[in-house]
Amino acid sequence: QQQVKQSPQSLIVQKGGISIINCAYENTAFDYFPWYQQFPGKGPALLIAIRPDVSEKKEGRFTISFNKSAKQFSLHIMDSQPGDSATYFCAATAIYNQGGKLIFGQGTELSVKP
Amino acid sequence: GAGVSQSPSNKVTEKGKDVELRCDPISGHTALYWYRQSLGQGLEFLIYFQGNSAPDKSGLPSDRFSAERTGGSVSTLTIQRTQQEDSAVYLCASSWTSGTFFTNEQFFGPGTRLTVL
Repeated sequence: QQQVKQSPQSLIVQKGGISIINCAYENTAFDYFPWYQQFPGKGPALLIAIRPDVSEKKEGRFTISFNKSAKQFSLHIMDSQPGDSATYFCAATAIYNQGGKLIFGQGTELSVKP
Repeated sequence: GAGVSQSPSNKVTEKGKDVELRCDPISGHTALYWYRQSLGQGLEFLIYFQGNSAPDKSGLPSDRFSAERTGGSVSTLTIQRTQQEDSAVYLCASSWTSGTFFTNEQFFGPGTRLTVL
């Protein structure tokens, strides 16, 4: 019940295209859903996050869509650029019940071709 | 300002040896987390410290793993009698909290790559 399932494992997108990564969870106590971006040799960095009281959050080219009833959330990267090539992790936590410890998806390796 | 720092950046050890990994969180951050990143298991939570509260050790994979946080700042993760399956990147993260209020964003260090031969 603590799992977060992420797909696809890898994704190749042309420059200017839309990258879509999906995640699903089981634990209804989760109340915070961040997406992290990781470049090789670096630690993950927070990209964007959402709480379950909203269905969508947009920051620049990055959008999270959240479907509470389906227990799914997704990351959309609009106008994908080669610099977006990285590994993306979705995560979830129950902030106050679990102290913010993150449960991560398995990661998606995104490659944006010029 | 300085981010989360970890040392060493790389550690190669022989099976059966003990290793210590160090994490310096961002100044003022009261919450500190350790995670492990490996090819087979992805990113896994290990242990969490919050202020003076007892740490949440629920993610530690065995009793060979332990961690401490001195003075509410620097943390050390110790792995005793290392095994080959301990080979992974060990990541530390910190975040700011005030009592029961969490800011949510965890700032990660670059990690320590541990290789057990």
